[in-house]
Amino acid sequence: DVQLLESGGGLVQPGRSLRLSCAASGFTFSSYAMSWVRQAPGKGLEWVSAISGNGAGPNYADSVKGRFTISRDNSKNTLFLQMNSLRAEDTAIYYCAKDLSREQLVRPGFFDYWGQGTVVTVSS
Amino acid sequence: EIVLTQSPGTLSLSPGERATLSCRASQSVSSNYLAWYQQIPGQAPRLLIYGVSTRATGIPDRFSGSGSGTDFTLTISRLEPEDFAVYYCQQYSRSPRTFGQGTKVEIK
Repeated sequence: DVQLLESGGGLVQPGRSLRLSCAASGFTFSSYAMSWVRQAPGKGLEWVSAISGNGAGPNYADSVKGRFTISRDNSKNTLFLQMNSLRAEDTAIYYCAKDLSREQLVRPGFFDYWGQGTVVTVSS
Repeated sequence: EIVLTQSPGTLSLSPGERATLSCRASQSVSSNYLAWYQQIPGQAPRLLIYGVSTRATGIPDRFSGSGSGTDFTLTISRLEPEDFAVYYCQQYSRSPRTFGQGTKVEIK
């Protein structure tokens, strides 16, 4: 069975940094793109960032571009999100999702499996 | 970016009734690259349908999707107790991928 387990969330002050991790199992991790999707309290879903199976062509939502960096370690089946210069509006549940994008993200896809999420709260 | 608008915001129905949820796109969604997700409160989203009308693995056939271009519909033929949740549409026709704001299906 596909499993995605996020970790690394917590309470952080505005302007500080946080690194999220997502441990994957149950599928050939290096063969698939992965994404981070977030959900602010009481709000809908917002795609944040994606990375291809081999780590090429990461892309980002405008709201996080220049502040967040997505990466992956295929030897450890783990996805990361480095979040810098955090703002109050980054407060959300962050989900990692298995992403069916193809051709190094040139052809975007949908998300067939999701983790349970990790909560990030940005507040002084 | 493509903006998806879902309606109604909330649908109040009884178990056994039919639910019809709408998703309208600000631009044409090419190649029918539209998906639907279900989110039960406190849980992660779950993929229901992709490619407008293809059910994901394990999704019961009471869920069906239809539409093309800019207008899409998710239909639940007979609501079961476990179907009361929030439903989101998502387009993957063009980057950035975007979601609708959600429709809540609640027990009447």
